[in-house]
Amino acid sequence: GQSLEQPSEVTAVEGAIVQINCTYQTSGFYGLSWYQQHDGGAPTFLSYNALDGLEETGRFSSFLSRSDSYGYLLLQELQMKDSASYFCAVGDSNYQLIWGAGTKLIIKP
Amino acid sequence: GAVVSQHPSWVICKSGTSVKIECRSLDFQATTMFWYRQFPKQSLMLMATSNEGSKATYEQGVEKDKFLINHASLTLSTLTVTSAHPEDSSFYICSASSLSGANVLTFGAGSRLTVL
Repeated sequence: GQSLEQPSEVTAVEGAIVQINCTYQTSGFYGLSWYQQHDGGAPTFLSYNALDGLEETGRFSSFLSRSDSYGYLLLQELQMKDSASYFCAVGDSNYQLIWGAGTKLIIKP
Repeated sequence: GAVVSQHPSWVICKSGTSVKIECRSLDFQATTMFWYRQFPKQSLMLMATSNEGSKATYEQGVEKDKFLINHASLTLSTLTVTSAHPEDSSFYICSASSLSGANVLTFGAGSRLTVL
């Protein structure tokens, strides 16, 4: 079957750095995406990795290793507004996104 | 950037009534739109994929006669929950891709349906 694994909850301190991991097992691989969702809101796109390596967008970075079927989202200089759920998603051979269960990021002052 | 507008944001209805949710791509043509539902503290569950001008493809376990999807134009898709029941209460979210199969989705703001 197809599955994505990511931690259910991560806690960090304001100003710190946090890494959210995602491992996947899918039929075909067409990139790893990350989305942010605040409580009561819809997901918003954060980043996309099609090739191995690190993609940086401001305070957020995303990494992919296709040989390890693994990626992570790195959030730096955490702010309280970063408290949200973060979902990884993989494009499969049917050109659909397979979603992880989401990681709730709790940020403490 | 790409913007998807979803309406209504929330709706409360009586059991047995039908509810229509609209999803519009405002500044791009969406060849493919996706409809998701999300229960509290859970991940997104894909309900169906709709391509402009053709019938929607429903995920296993999703009743196509209950969740009617129409994608009549490149900028509009609608989801109609027919004869809604309390168990249909959920957060419904549409998303659009400007390129078929693209991994980058733009989501609407979501519609919270409460069926009494």
